[in-house]
Amino acid sequence: DAGITQSPRHKVTETGTPVTLRCHQTENHRYMYWYRQDPGHGLRLIHYSYGVKDTDKGEVSDGYSVSRSKTEDFLLTLESATSSQTSVYFCAISGTGNTEAFFGQGTRLTVV
Amino acid sequence: GIQVEQSPPDLILQEGANSTLRCNFSDSVNNLQWFHQNPWGQLINLFYIPSGTKQNGRLSATTVATERYSLLYISSSQTTDSGVYFCAVDRNAGNMLTFGGGTRLMVKP
Repeated sequence: DAGITQSPRHKVTETGTPVTLRCHQTENHRYMYWYRQDPGHGLRLIHYSYGVKDTDKGEVSDGYSVSRSKTEDFLLTLESATSSQTSVYFCAISGTGNTEAFFGQGTRLTVV
Repeated sequence: GIQVEQSPPDLILQEGANSTLRCNFSDSVNNLQWFHQNPWGQLINLFYIPSGTKQNGRLSATTVATERYSLLYISSSQTTDSGVYFCAVDRNAGNMLTFGGGTRLMVKP
């Protein structure tokens, strides 16, 4: 299995609070990604990183920010959580842009 | 952006049956992957197959890039094959994957 750890695995938070999800990899892969999975929408890309301090927006980036200060860590922050951000969040990694991507086990976030 | 359509959306099989899942995409792609999401939510890599044919045990996949589709074959299905199968593609060399809606497979004993 690819060495990807997401934390926390489950979280319940209140509307308006900040939340940070962490993705940690031990593969020294260059690319890292955050996706969300919702019923009826499959998985959608939120943000991605192609190197330390190099990040860009994906399809559904509104309300989210990311940071990557080290190769192994990619953080996803919800500055002020809303109920529409209740979802399952997956982190993924890939060594290059032309090899397969591997996914972490997901974080289930509930905003009440 | 690129559109990815999977069919059928739902499939119920008896254990031992064979099946074919299809993925159509609207533009040329640089990457294509098939995943199995098990009932616990874990995404398992099946194939990285932007073109050509690959086989892994009871599973095989074929991508015809010029005609913009990929097929996943499951032979002699088992109850552990149950779950959702996703096709995901990327147009560029960055692995920013666009997922299809998935095929939900249930294999009955």
